[in-house]
Amino acid sequence: GNSVTQMEGPVTLSEEAFLTINCTYTATGYPSLFWYVQYPGEGLQLLLKATKADDKGSNKGFEATYRKETTSFHLEKGSVQVSDSAVYFCSLLEYGNKLVFGAGTILRVKS
Amino acid sequence: DAGVIQSPRHEVTEMGQEVTLRCKPISGHNSLFWYRQTMMRGLELLIYFNNNVPIDDSGMPEDRFSAKMPNASFSTLKIQPSEPRDSAVYFCASSLSGTQEEAFFGQGTRLTVV
Repeated sequence: GNSVTQMEGPVTLSEEAFLTINCTYTATGYPSLFWYVQYPGEGLQLLLKATKADDKGSNKGFEATYRKETTSFHLEKGSVQVSDSAVYFCSLLEYGNKLVFGAGTILRVKS
Repeated sequence: DAGVIQSPRHEVTEMGQEVTLRCKPISGHNSLFWYRQTMMRGLELLIYFNNNVPIDDSGMPEDRFSAKMPNASFSTLKIQPSEPRDSAVYFCASSLSGTQEEAFFGQGTRLTVV
């Protein structure tokens, strides 16, 4: 079946550091890919998405590119802030509208 | 739209009691999902509905768990009897099937069974 694998955390960075959270997937066909973010005490909210190969999703300084060749969708940000501390989930959309999530990566940003 | 609305936000109950969690999806969405989140297991899909019909309930842990969607604007997740290991945050999400669009999540219900 379809699956998503993302790097284990927690990831701890200093403010203004560069962020990469790796995500790879296994899927039939070319599903839409998403990054969700969960701030403490809240539900998941969409951070960015890409619906086809080579698409780049971006939002709030975060970016991820849909790489068909490497089946990857790595999340990057050039300069993180303390307010970016959260849990980040990579996911794909299966046929039938079901979302498959990775295990989540905790990001901690220190000032 | 107010988004996906879940109630209650917090629930504390004694072992053996029945617990009912409620969800109102976004108007116009026809897919609804129930997830459970714990530190040990992360985010697990329990069940999802398309057009009010349960499509996949393979994630429901035991017969103690049941979910219903009597109409397009309301769903319940019931645990009877509840056990301490059911303590978790339960999320409801909704989306529009047949599109490549994302699911929208509610704020969750934090359940504590003592």
